[in-house]
Amino acid sequence: NAGVTQTPKFRVLKTGQSMTLLCAQDMNHEYMYWYRQDPGMGLRLIHYSVGEGTTAKGEVPDGYNVSRLKKQNFLLGLESAAPSQTSVYFCASTYEQDYEQYFGPGTRLTVT
Amino acid sequence: GNSVTQMEGPVTLSEEAFLTINCTYTATGYPSLFWYVQYPGEGLQLLLKATKADDKGSNKGFEATYRKETTSFHLEKGSVQVSDSAVYFCALTYGGSQGNLIFGKGTKLSVKP
Repeated sequence: NAGVTQTPKFRVLKTGQSMTLLCAQDMNHEYMYWYRQDPGMGLRLIHYSVGEGTTAKGEVPDGYNVSRLKKQNFLLGLESAAPSQTSVYFCASTYEQDYEQYFGPGTRLTVT
Repeated sequence: GNSVTQMEGPVTLSEEAFLTINCTYTATGYPSLFWYVQYPGEGLQLLLKATKADDKGSNKGFEATYRKETTSFHLEKGSVQVSDSAVYFCALTYGGSQGNLIFGKGTKLSVKP
C-alpha cells in the first residue's frame, strides 16, 4: 500500500514550457486535490475532483488544467509555465469530506 | 469568507518546554478542524482533528480543543522533544466545500536539545 505518490519529485522548466504532474493513490479514494505551497502562504487549492471524470476549480486555478480519467490518478498540467508557478505542489486524497486527507511527498517545481 | 489565522513563527523552544500554537478561524456553519504536521522534506500528515464544539483531538502528546465561543483550536503539548521540530498547519473544512482544506500559513517549530 503506497498511499499517495507523486511524479516527478523535482523539475526545472524554462518559461513557456509545458509539463504534467502525476498523482496516484491506491486507497480507492473518491476525492483528490492539488495544492501549491509557497513560503508564508500555507497551502492553497488549485483544482480538485470529487470522483472519476469530474474536476473543479479551486482558489488559484489560473494557468493550470487537470484531468481525472481514472479514479486512482489525478493529473495537473501546466501548458505554458511562468516563474510565478515556481512552488511545491502537493496532491492529496480522501475517502469523504471531513475525513483525513492523505498527502503525497510533493513536487518541487522551479520555472526560470 | 472562511479563513484560518495561526500565530506566526518561527517558534524556538528548549526540549521539555511547554508548547502552545494559537489558531483561530472564521467559518460559516460548523467546520471540522485539523492540525497537520510537515516534517522537513516530507508531505503533510494529520496530527489531530475535532469535528464539533468542545471536542478534544489528541495524538502523540499533542492536544487541541474545538472552542466555538472563541472560534479557536489552539495546539498544545506539555513537553516537546527535538523530534517535534516541524511546520504545523491549522486547517478547516466546512459544509459545501467539497472537502478541501483551508489552511493557515503554518508555524515552524524548532526544538533545541
